[in-house]
Amino acid sequence: KAGVTQTPRYLIKTRGQQVTLSCSPISGHRSVSWYQQTPGQGLQFLFEYFSETQRNKGNFPGRFSGRQFSNSRSEMNVSTLELGDSALYLCASSAPLAGPETQYFGPGTRLLVL
Amino acid sequence: DQQVKQNSPSLSVQEGRISILNCDYTNSMFDYFLWYKKYPAEGPTFLISISSIKDKNEDGRFTVFLNKSAKHLSLHIVPSQPGDSAVYFCAASTIQGAQKLVFGQGTRLTINP
Repeated sequence: KAGVTQTPRYLIKTRGQQVTLSCSPISGHRSVSWYQQTPGQGLQFLFEYFSETQRNKGNFPGRFSGRQFSNSRSEMNVSTLELGDSALYLCASSAPLAGPETQYFGPGTRLLVL
Repeated sequence: DQQVKQNSPSLSVQEGRISILNCDYTNSMFDYFLWYKKYPAEGPTFLISISSIKDKNEDGRFTVFLNKSAKHLSLHIVPSQPGDSAVYFCAASTIQGAQKLVFGQGTRLTINP
């Protein structure tokens, strides 16, 4: 069974630009969650999508948005990039009705904002 | 507002000894706690979990202890092996937000031969 894949793996952008990151969940998984990892804050929850609907949301500004497609693939978008958005962005997928321990994480997309 | 805290950024332990990683939380609504292990360039992988109705859960060399009154949990690794060197994150969730994990900042564990 293929794992969670994230593209691209590395990205360099400049302040003010926007970026779109992609996540393909494990086959059969319908829930996709996004996290931001920074050195000082650890992993912070961004949002979770289930069956194309946002089910949970973290405390991030509206510049961070996401969506999920009918095939469960998900994208997150960050507009008007700031230097502080430099981070590792991780997505995780889980099966329907599964507990939190069944979240499988992808390798992440490392975003550098200059 | 850091609801889950790992106050030790790093820990160094000799191979064969016990590694103890600690985690504190502030939100009494949390009812499920997890530990994840992360290697560089990889996503976190689930290690072990514990429900708030228990105070101990064991899986091989890994044991998690939960002290609800102190809002504290710990992960014990016995015996520690070089392959255990990684960053360890504790995380918490509620029944309502099962997939919304709140993570600590992580502890980098180094096992010395």
